[in-house]
Amino acid sequence: AQSVTQLDSQVPVFEEAPVELRCNYSSSVSVYLFWYVQYPNQGLQLLLKYLSGSTLVKGINGFEAEFNKSQTSFHLRKPSVHISDTAEYFCAVSDPGNTGKLIFGQGTTLQVKP
Amino acid sequence: GAVVSQHPSRVICKSGTSVKIECRSLDFQATTMFWYRQFPKQSLMLMATSNEGSKATYEQGVEKDKFLINHASLTLSTLTVTSAHPEDSSFYICSASGNSGGGNEQFFGPGTRLTVL
Repeated sequence: AQSVTQLDSQVPVFEEAPVELRCNYSSSVSVYLFWYVQYPNQGLQLLLKYLSGSTLVKGINGFEAEFNKSQTSFHLRKPSVHISDTAEYFCAVSDPGNTGKLIFGQGTTLQVKP
Repeated sequence: GAVVSQHPSRVICKSGTSVKIECRSLDFQATTMFWYRQFPKQSLMLMATSNEGSKATYEQGVEKDKFLINHASLTLSTLTVTSAHPEDSSFYICSASGNSGGGNEQFFGPGTRLTVL
């Protein structure tokens, strides 16, 4: 069975600073990996996904993530954050062999301070 | 990108009543829809998976008689919370997966805030 661990529940950072949100997963089979962002009282929006191929994935809003199979990680990074990036971020894993059910991590609150 | 809508966005009901939440895929055919529940400051908990024309598959611990799911067409799934109680108050989010996008990508609705008095 798959599982996802987001190591940081909250990440405070100053505006224009770089940020990394950590995600580790556990799975016995190949997986697809996703990062979603959730703004208050809204649904989830896909930031980026890793299906196969290049391990460095670029997403929307200047975010990118790197798939590291040996470390079973999929950390999310942005070189310079904005106040508008303040939100909840969820890492998720999907077993490509099933119906696409997603297993979510606990979420990381990114707090960007001026 | 693919668009998923939910209706209503907010609902307040009295204890003991039933509430129906609709989830629609607006521009693609959703072969599979998922229903999640999210408590404040917590992650999404998958409640059930529904495929068009078949019975929903519920996650362990989710009462199927309390949370009725119907996926009657490729663009509509409904979640009915029967005999709602205050502990059912939560943020309910649906998602849809279909031919649009790859890698089993799910497209999420904006969520429905249910408050049971």
